[in-house]
Amino acid sequence: DAGVIQSPRHEVTEMGQEVTLRCKPISGHNSLFWYRQTMMRGLELLIYFNNNVPIDDSGMPEDRFSAKMPNASFSTLKIQPSEPRDSAVYFCASSFIGVIGYTFGSGTRLTVV
Amino acid sequence: RKEVEQDPGPFNVPEGATVAFNCTYSNSASQSFFWYRQDCRKEPKLLMSVYSSGNEDGRFTAQLNRASQYISLLIRDSKLSDSATYLCEGYYGGSQGNLIFGKGTKLSVKP
Repeated sequence: DAGVIQSPRHEVTEMGQEVTLRCKPISGHNSLFWYRQTMMRGLELLIYFNNNVPIDDSGMPEDRFSAKMPNASFSTLKIQPSEPRDSAVYFCASSFIGVIGYTFGSGTRLTVV
Repeated sequence: RKEVEQDPGPFNVPEGATVAFNCTYSNSASQSFFWYRQDCRKEPKLLMSVYSSGNEDGRFTAQLNRASQYISLLIRDSKLSDSATYLCEGYYGGSQGNLIFGKGTKLSVKP
């Protein structure tokens, strides 16, 4: 299995631009999670999906952030407009529903200048 | 309030040493815990689950102390390759999103 695949690995963008992060979960996994990691705040859950349906988005920082999962093999996290404080590593993770203990993707390192 | 606290370290130990670090949690409703390992500029990887009865996997032992509200990770005969940041995670039941990660403890094993 290729694991959880995220793209791009690195993204540098200017403030105000739209950023789209992509994730392909492990085939067969039916839960997908988006996390953000910074030195100050550590690893934070932004949103997660079960069977492509958003279950809890209470961690999404504000309306500039949105996430979709149009099918079982693809999800996006979009930031529009981006701000320097959004700079972080964004991880996608997947698992089976009800299983705690996730497989993380390699992450996208986002820098907003 | 749900918090999971870890000593950020770094813990600098010689090869072959035994090292232990704790993770404290503030909410007694927490149901289960996990340890993850994260290498520099890499993703977290699940290391082991933590059970009330303790959990051992080779050189690694994880334990849960509900009375004092902490979990521990013990590494025996530490190797250079054990150098990483170790994150604990507390799960509070119900929704899969109902979990909190600690900020991690950095371990550096020296030759």
